[in-house]
Amino acid sequence: GQQLNQSPQSMFIQEGEDVSMNCTSSSIFNTWLWYKQDPGEGPVLLIALYKAGELTSNGRLTAQFGITRKDSFLNISASIPSDVGIYFCAGKDSTGNQFYFGTGTSLTVIP
Amino acid sequence: DAGITQSPRHKVTETGTPVTLRCHQTENHRYMYWYRQDPGHGLRLIHYSYGVKDTDKGEVSDGYSVSRSKTEDFLLTLESATSSQTSVYFCATSPGLGRNTEAFFGQGTRLTVV
Repeated sequence: GQQLNQSPQSMFIQEGEDVSMNCTSSSIFNTWLWYKQDPGEGPVLLIALYKAGELTSNGRLTAQFGITRKDSFLNISASIPSDVGIYFCAGKDSTGNQFYFGTGTSLTVIP
Repeated sequence: DAGITQSPRHKVTETGTPVTLRCHQTENHRYMYWYRQDPGHGLRLIHYSYGVKDTDKGEVSDGYSVSRSKTEDFLLTLESATSSQTSVYFCATSPGLGRNTEAFFGQGTRLTVV
């Protein structure tokens, strides 16, 4: 299947700092999605991107669909303790019925 | 969020027994998916359905079967559970495969095979 490389694997930051994470694929996608998962819960959709170059915000979160269509970025500004969790990227290409997922970035926010 | 309910939420079963997990959705989404989540592997697709009675295999389908007799229900069966199938299982749904589509997840089922 498609390989999505997500980095970093984990981050430990101070409250108030900004966070950046990214996801790259081996092939072109036409949809990029970003999810957050809290312990014991299912992933919750944060941001959806559908066009190369698209920049979309959801509160303190901003995500971008890379120009090459093989990558996407998520930024969190002014982190707070409730940002703690695992963030997943997901992508979909034009040929299949599947969503492909990155292995996640574990975020810890130190108060 | 789509109304997606997984049952049971937790299950412990013995090696060799059959197990069925249920996913129920209230959003009339066409596509339904079963994933397993394991440390270091992220979410891996087991099987998916693109309509009633229409299913296909995913990346890790061995030892699993699925059925979809109604739009709202997607069942995952472990035919003879093994310890390697201890995992957290997530169901997801998607409206369709048009350009702007998203996947929505249930809360998961934690399965332990002893």
